[in-house]
Amino acid sequence: DVKVTQSSRYLVKRTGEKVFLECVQDMDHENMFWYRQDPGLGLRLIYFSYDVKMKEKGDIPEGYSVSREKKERFSLILESASTNQTSMYLCASSFPGGGYEQYFGPGTRLTVT
Amino acid sequence: GQQVMQIPQYQHVQEGEDFTTYCNSSTTLSNIQWYKQRPGGHPVFLIQLVKSGEVKKQKRLTFQFGEAKKNSSLHITATQTTDVGTYFCAGSRRQLTFGSGTQLTVLP
Repeated sequence: DVKVTQSSRYLVKRTGEKVFLECVQDMDHENMFWYRQDPGLGLRLIYFSYDVKMKEKGDIPEGYSVSREKKERFSLILESASTNQTSMYLCASSFPGGGYEQYFGPGTRLTVT
Repeated sequence: GQQVMQIPQYQHVQEGEDFTTYCNSSTTLSNIQWYKQRPGGHPVFLIQLVKSGEVKKQKRLTFQFGEAKKNSSLHITATQTTDVGTYFCAGSRRQLTFGSGTQLTVLP
């Protein structure tokens, strides 16, 4: 079974803090994704990566950066957390190409106070 | 950019009633995927449609892809309480774009 794990289920941070969200997958997937989920807005793509050290901006990259130093690990970084970044963050992975299903991690609910 | 719209946003049904959610894209899609997210859970892949006019069934669930490959629907016959959750469509060109989801509540 594919397993995608995320470092925390719940996280509370203060405004201005630097926040790291970690994601690890065990299926040797090339593609990895970070989404945020907000009520009524569905899943919005923040960043994705098709290979190690490769990254591309999604639909809402502002205020975020990512790192992919190893194939199995994809990190989302909030350089200076703000209250409007309070959300559920979901990591996903898949095989390359647009025709493969994505496997999601359990999500991290981040609250910025 | 590519937009995928999904309606309705919420749907409450009595157990045993049917349910349908609709998905429309602003552009022609390569394929469309459907996911289900149970309350408190994460999205789980249900199915992918690739061909124009394609219809696929999974037990009580029927998925359709429009002839123009710009719209899709998911129909559940005789809903059960286990169907509760949010159903997302996701359209693919170069990458997946998710719809906003339909949150289904099934009243026993």
